[in-house]
Amino acid sequence: DAKTTQPTSMDCAEGRAANLPCNHSTISGNEYVYWYRQIHSQGPQYIIHGLKNNETNEMASLIITEDRKSSTLILPHATLRDTAVYYCIVRVWSVDNFNKFYFGSGTKLNVKP
Amino acid sequence: SQTIHQWPATLVQPVGSPLSLECTVEGTSNPNLYWYRQAAGRGLQLLFYSVGIGQISSEVPQNLSASRPQDRQFILSSKKLLLSDSGFYLCAWSRSGYEQYFGPGTRLTVT
Repeated sequence: DAKTTQPTSMDCAEGRAANLPCNHSTISGNEYVYWYRQIHSQGPQYIIHGLKNNETNEMASLIITEDRKSSTLILPHATLRDTAVYYCIVRVWSVDNFNKFYFGSGTKLNVKP
Repeated sequence: SQTIHQWPATLVQPVGSPLSLECTVEGTSNPNLYWYRQAAGRGLQLLFYSVGIGQISSEVPQNLSASRPQDRQFILSSKKLLLSDSGFYLCAWSRSGYEQYFGPGTRLTVT
């Protein structure tokens, strides 16, 4: 079962920052937060991940609260091509030391001109 | 660089017919491999994962099975398809402990 909750949908104006929230109140100390996005009819694309420090790469920034119970993905300058479903995922370690990802329903981000 | 392939891209099969979906990875060795299913308008459901040849773990009981006959080949099968097996099937790979990379997917419609 997914360990995260996200809003069903969000709108964002083109060129503005898109801030996508995620709650993961039951996260354990060694579990990472990952973000993926899925453009219609394609496989999900990896965006970014973090444990407790804020992270930034060429695609986005990830802000994780100090208590690690929530995080925010920031797309600094959204474009129409960023319209997609964004998934926030907690990576879970199984008893056989295998990392598994449980996807929730995600947030549909609509970037509008 | 690593590449993941899935085929076929689309498939229409009648109820009760068999199924075989194939996934192959290039450019890496001993990857962790995954099969997911996505129903229309829903998130991804983890079906199977594998840490090596012949090693398969199932997440949920169902009408499907998986096999890994070679290091970089992962196959999803069914002996008799059900209507509820329709969906978008995604294969993914990762190095242990790192992010997963997804293939282009197979859209299966069971009629």
